[in-house]
Amino acid sequence: GAVVSQHPSWVICKSGTSVKIECRSLDFQATTMFWYRQFPKQSLMLMATSNEGSKATYEQGVEKDKFLINHASLTLSTLTVTSAHPEDSSFYICSATLAGGPSGELFFGEGSRLTVL
Amino acid sequence: GQQLNQSPQSMFIQEGEDVSMNCTSSSIFNTWLWYKQDPGEGPVLLIALYKAGELTSNGRLTAQFGITRKDSFLNISASIPSDVGIYFCAGQHSGNTPLVFGKGTRLSVIA
Repeated sequence: GAVVSQHPSWVICKSGTSVKIECRSLDFQATTMFWYRQFPKQSLMLMATSNEGSKATYEQGVEKDKFLINHASLTLSTLTVTSAHPEDSSFYICSATLAGGPSGELFFGEGSRLTVL
Repeated sequence: GQQLNQSPQSMFIQEGEDVSMNCTSSSIFNTWLWYKQDPGEGPVLLIALYKAGELTSNGRLTAQFGITRKDSFLNISASIPSDVGIYFCAGQHSGNTPLVFGKGTRLSVIA
């Protein structure tokens, strides 16, 4: 099956620093990737839709200058949390659709847990 | 953002029991999916439903897409300890639009 890998799995950083999270589709090409955020004991909330070669589409309330998304290739999307603060601590999960595959079948990465001190 | 109404929020059951959970929505979805998430990991797809009324099984799991395309249920038969986790329903309106998730059902299985 389709495999999506995230790196790093967890990261701890100081307030004010920037953190980059990578999302790779290992065995397929993903023209569209999605970034979700999940707080403890809560559901997944969509942050942005990332399309290869174009600007990401952000959901209402998500600051595009704070959460920079780059989708430079068909197998890699990155999320950079700029000037991170403790309230940005969360579980970030990316997902990708298989180009030409059944509609709606998203494959998720393992998630990246960010802790900002 | 929009969310699906998923219930129950949590369940505690004995090993071997059957489990049922469901999701409803005020809007129509073209695709309905059920995911399971283990602690500290990303969700894993269990079942995908594409047609109204569709009933699909995956081992001990069975899910159905409601006739109105506004609801779905997931059944787990003869539960085992490894069924523990959070189950999410998710709907997609069309094409490559993002999934809308339910709030999840946290399942605990008592051996």
